[in-house]
Amino acid sequence: AQSVTQPDIHITVSEGASLELRCNYSYGATPYLFWYVQSPGQGLQLLLKYFSGDTLVQGIKGFEAEFKRSQSSFNLRKPSVHWSDAAEYFCAVGARNTDKLIFGTGTRLQVFP
Amino acid sequence: EPEVTQTPSHQVTQMGQEVILRCVPISNHLYFYWYRQILGQKVEFLVSFYNNEISEKSEIFDDQFSVERPDGSNFTLKIRSTKLEDSAMYFCASSPQVSNQPQHFGDGTRLSIL
Repeated sequence: AQSVTQPDIHITVSEGASLELRCNYSYGATPYLFWYVQSPGQGLQLLLKYFSGDTLVQGIKGFEAEFKRSQSSFNLRKPSVHWSDAAEYFCAVGARNTDKLIFGTGTRLQVFP
Repeated sequence: EPEVTQTPSHQVTQMGQEVILRCVPISNHLYFYWYRQILGQKVEFLVSFYNNEISEKSEIFDDQFSVERPDGSNFTLKIRSTKLEDSAMYFCASSPQVSNQPQHFGDGTRLSIL
């Protein structure tokens, strides 16, 4: 079955520290991969996407993610976290043969000053 | 930057009543979607819509649900007879095409069924 796993429910980091949020997927077709961020009371904002090509993709707000087919992973990284990055982060997977996105359960990021 | 807009932001409805959630997708987008997120759970796909018809739907999207594009700008989700378990955040999304393009989401409508 198709699925997306975000193993970390809640992560706390200090401002200025580096960040890595994990995402693993199980998908039979060639996946399209996305990271979205949701601030409290807000919708889902697209951070970055991977469709093909270079496996390291750059997104907005200084985020990047690396697609590793051998590990079925698409981890999100940021070298230095800002307090405004505190939010919930969702990994999602889609494919050419379907309209729907399948979302992970999300990782809540808390940033301490 | 163009946005997907949803109204209302919060809807409170009695169980058994009909509710219509409204969305204005990004103007040049061709594909429209509804997702829902029950509190504490994953965001789940409900339905996609293209060329004035449903393109794909999930098991959740049963006969109680319907979608419509009543004019050139709005996209609506109707729940005919609401149940307590319909309480959730409902997100509308749109994309230029169905694949190879990301879906852009609105801020959601929180639906509370009493």
